[in-house]
Amino acid sequence: EAQVTQNPRYLITVTGKKLTVTCSQNMNHEYMSWYRQDPGLGLRQIYYSMNVEVTDKGDVPEGYKVSRKEKRNFPLILESPSPNQTSLYFCASSPTRDYETQYFGPGTRLLVL
Amino acid sequence: DAKTTQPPSMDCAEGRAANLPCNHSTISGNEYVYWYRQIHSQGPQYIIHGLKNNETNEMASLIITEDRKSSTLILPHATLRDTAVYYCIVRVASRDDKIIFGKGTRLHILP
Repeated sequence: EAQVTQNPRYLITVTGKKLTVTCSQNMNHEYMSWYRQDPGLGLRQIYYSMNVEVTDKGDVPEGYKVSRKEKRNFPLILESPSPNQTSLYFCASSPTRDYETQYFGPGTRLLVL
Repeated sequence: DAKTTQPPSMDCAEGRAANLPCNHSTISGNEYVYWYRQIHSQGPQYIIHGLKNNETNEMASLIITEDRKSSTLILPHATLRDTAVYYCIVRVASRDDKIIFGKGTRLHILP
């Protein structure tokens, strides 16, 4: 089954404790991206990647890192999480640079205390 | 900032057509209009997109004004399962660029 998976789905952590949210897709897609979603603000893109070893900043990259060492994986790293990074995070992928077929993962709900 | 403006919420009676407007007055000639929807904390789902001609697929129709400064997404026979937040986005297709979602329209389908 074609899908984007994220882990963990739910996470409670404390300020400053490094964490990684994994994202994996099984569709051999080139393009992957991370979004965060907050009440009243809609979806905001954090980082995106056009292919292996190619990443770029989205709309709200501060406080986040990403890597794209393999085509299928695109982890989101919070080196020193802060409470303002409490949010719902979505990973997405698409087969080409055309966004009509962007597939979204199920979401990761993060709470930073 | 998002390049689109949408009403924050709308109601529609079940079985009726839902017409969701979107303003994109600064749209460029090579930018497409895309619509996505998000059902209660699930990942967004692609609905339809178009450049200047009206488009229709199994989910919806997209009507773009002649000057391309606004568009309307039409769900022809709304059901309760269409209750969601609908996002209108303008961007250049096949371009390596960030995507900017606005705040969307929360559509309530009333039984």
